[in-house]
Amino acid sequence: AQSVTQPDIHITVSEGASLELRCNYSYGATPYLFWYVQSPGQGLQLLLKYFSGDTLVQGIKGFEAEFKRSQSSFNLRKPSVHWSDAAEYFCAVVNQGGKLIFGQGTELSVKP
Amino acid sequence: DAMVIQNPRYQVTQFGKPVTLSCSQTLNHNVMYWYQQKSSQAPKLLFHYYDKDFNNEADTPDNFQSRRPNTSFCFLDIRSPGLGDAAMYLCATSRATGTGNPTNEKLFFGSGTQLSVL
Repeated sequence: AQSVTQPDIHITVSEGASLELRCNYSYGATPYLFWYVQSPGQGLQLLLKYFSGDTLVQGIKGFEAEFKRSQSSFNLRKPSVHWSDAAEYFCAVVNQGGKLIFGQGTELSVKP
Repeated sequence: DAMVIQNPRYQVTQFGKPVTLSCSQTLNHNVMYWYQQKSSQAPKLLFHYYDKDFNNEADTPDNFQSRRPNTSFCFLDIRSPGLGDAAMYLCATSRATGTGNPTNEKLFFGSGTQLSVL
């Protein structure tokens, strides 16, 4: 069955530092992959998605993610984190039934 | 402008008392979803409507029902809420392209309804 694993439950970075959030997927074919962000008490907002083509995907708010088939990974990156980036980040994959399956999430804290 | 609107923002109900959560959308999307998100967990899909076709997830309890009277509105009914049903309930929409995989498209989420059960 398709699944998504986010190894890091909580990450803290300093403002201005670079960020990488890890995501590993389990899927037999080429996956459809997403990153969503959720601010406290809010719904989820799509940051970026990968369906095919260029493996480096640019998203909103300065985020990017790179699809690496050999590593079954789709890590989210940002070169310089802002305090407003503090939130919960969810990686997701579409399964064979066309349903969106979320990882367990990574909580990002940003310290001054 | 809010595109997926959930009301109310916070809902308190009593153990066993039926409760209905509402979702409306201005996007004219043909697919609407309900997710349950418990504290510090990932959202879990309960069911979705593809137009008028209702699609229930296999592990969604019978206690949860849904109605979609028209394109714009979708309701989540919890017939007899238990303490374990306290969660954030997220509504989402997408525009299916007819490929058979509605979630290939971008999902738009509402802000959620936080349900408390006393």
